[in-house]
Amino acid sequence: DGGITQSPKYLFRKEGQNVTLSCEQNLNHDAMYWYRQDPGQGLRLIYYSQIVNDFQKGDIAEGYSVSREKKESFPLTVTSAQKNPTAFYLCASRARSSYNEQFFGPGTRLTVL
Amino acid sequence: GNSVTQMEGPVTLSEEAFLTINCTYTATGYPSLFWYVQYPGEGLQLLLKATKADDKGSNKGFEATYRKETTSFHLEKGSVQVSDSAVYFCALGRRGNMLTFGGGTRLMVKP
Repeated sequence: DGGITQSPKYLFRKEGQNVTLSCEQNLNHDAMYWYRQDPGQGLRLIYYSQIVNDFQKGDIAEGYSVSREKKESFPLTVTSAQKNPTAFYLCASRARSSYNEQFFGPGTRLTVL
Repeated sequence: GNSVTQMEGPVTLSEEAFLTINCTYTATGYPSLFWYVQYPGEGLQLLLKATKADDKGSNKGFEATYRKETTSFHLEKGSVQVSDSAVYFCALGRRGNMLTFGGGTRLMVKP
């Protein structure tokens, strides 16, 4: 079955450590996105990539970094510069032919201790 | 700029009650509009969408009509079930193939 995989589902890190969240899709979608969700709030866009080897900052990119070396993969690194990294992180992808419709992965809950 | 405003929750209903979750938007032009649903501990699933004024999106008994004159896209369901308990997000499509989300509305349905 086609879909988006995010791993792990729960992640714990000590303060000051960088951590990388995985996002893989086998939908053959060109575009991929990373969002952050805080309790009781909507989703905020961190980074997005419309095509391999290219990505753009979203609304809250500070303290995060990404890479897009393969079409299927869009990992997100939460760096020590991110002041409040504890959140639920969602990855999404979109087909080139789809104007705005995005498909979401199950999410990773990151807790920084 | 673009923005989406949803009614604050939680919305608590008894099973078989009628549901309305209000959503209004601010945008330039005529964006596509979406409703997504998030079940506990999961990612978002597209529930329905509408791409132009007066379009009605529908799925699983839920409906929403794109109202240009009132810039609204209210979600409705005639008879909710306990399994509909979730958080519902209204979203609009913006330039660059991105989405702007509302804050979400939690629905709790009691047996």
